[in-house]
Amino acid sequence: AQSVTQLGSHVSVSEGALVLLRCNYSSSVPPYLFWYVQYPNQGLQLLLKYTTGATLVKGINGFEAEFKKSETSFHLTKPSAHMSDAAEYFCAVNAGNMLTFGGGTRLMVKP
Amino acid sequence: SQTIHQWPATLVQPVGSPLSLECTVEGTSNPNLYWYRQAAGRGLQLLFYSVGIGQISSEVPQNLSASRPQDRQFILSSKKLLLSDSGFYLCAWSVLFREGELFFGEGSRLTVL
Repeated sequence: AQSVTQLGSHVSVSEGALVLLRCNYSSSVPPYLFWYVQYPNQGLQLLLKYTTGATLVKGINGFEAEFKKSETSFHLTKPSAHMSDAAEYFCAVNAGNMLTFGGGTRLMVKP
Repeated sequence: SQTIHQWPATLVQPVGSPLSLECTVEGTSNPNLYWYRQAAGRGLQLLFYSVGIGQISSEVPQNLSASRPQDRQFILSSKKLLLSDSGFYLCAWSVLFREGELFFGEGSRLTVL
């Protein structure tokens, strides 16, 4: 069985501030982990993914995430928020042949 | 390159009316296909997935159904819509590997009145 928990359904940051979106997972086998972004009224777009190898993964738009097995976490970060980062973010885990999504975190960026 | 399209983008339907949402993938063969729903304020709910023509797995019992008449076509249907069917429906595809991510369509917003 696998599951994903995203802490905080809403996160608000100021433009230029650090973005930190939290994701914890549970999996009985080594997981593959993903972060997706969804802009209003659009489909989901892949930001980054971890499969094997380096635990710090860089994605598009300046985002990165670090896989920490001991903490069963895959938190998403960006050093400096931009107004265009306002969107909903979904963490997902695949430990079989199916993706399981977290509940999503809506990121708001204040000017 | 691969593309995925779903239509219609927006749909307003009365309660009790039928539904048909279509999804087509181009540029790949034998993909896994998925239908998800996002209700207001809720996350992604997997409704159906398919690993091949005519092979449909249902994740949530409800008045919706899915069909895969061709390798790269996936259809979501209902004979009689309920108010609770309102939401944002997303089609997605993936290759048959665990590390492969899902690729999503643009979404279809359904409002049942």
